[in-house]
Amino acid sequence: SQTIHQWPATLVQPVGSPLSLECTVEGTSNPNLYWYRQAAGRGLQLLFYSVGIGQISSEVPQNLSASRPQDRQFILSSKKLLLSDSGFYLCAWSPGGGLIFGQGTRLTVV
Amino acid sequence: GENVEQHPSTLSVQEGDSAVIKCTYSDSASNYFPWYKQELGKGPQLIIDIRSNVGEKKDQRIAVTLNKTAKHFSLHITETQPEDSAVYFCAASKGVGRLAFGKGNQVVVIP
Repeated sequence: SQTIHQWPATLVQPVGSPLSLECTVEGTSNPNLYWYRQAAGRGLQLLFYSVGIGQISSEVPQNLSASRPQDRQFILSSKKLLLSDSGFYLCAWSPGGGLIFGQGTRLTVV
Repeated sequence: GENVEQHPSTLSVQEGDSAVIKCTYSDSASNYFPWYKQELGKGPQLIIDIRSNVGEKKDQRIAVTLNKTAKHFSLHITETQPEDSAVYFCAASKGVGRLAFGKGNQVVVIP
């Protein structure tokens, strides 16, 4: 069966520090992968999606970037975090139509 | 782009009663409408979905109805139980995975 792993579960980082969140999917090949952000009291905002290795599409301009170095690995990064980058980050993959989400990373920038 | 609105933002129901959450969408080309349940500190879980060629779909105590003409769809939960308390998100999509989400609805089931 397919599973999606996302880590770390929680992270506290100072302003200006770098960020790297990792997501991996098991049990499938060439999945469509997504990074969403959920701010407090708001819905989920699509940040990036990828249909294959090295293929990244950005939905909104921001302080973040994404990379897909391997078929089932999706990484969310930042060179210098801002206070406004705080939120709940969710990785997801699409088996067709809907999305299967990971358990999320709670990022607090202090 | 697609704009999904969800209401009410908070809904309290007595255990055993029914709960209904409504969503509207703006893009008539959207053809896939999933509903997600999110418990505190966890990622959203898909609970039911419907495609535009179907008007209603049911899975045990939950059902979704779609009105393409009016561009709205609803989640119905019958015989609510305390474990149904969560945040529920609706979404709409024209393509695989690129979902536009509503802002969520907090459902509280009162024992």
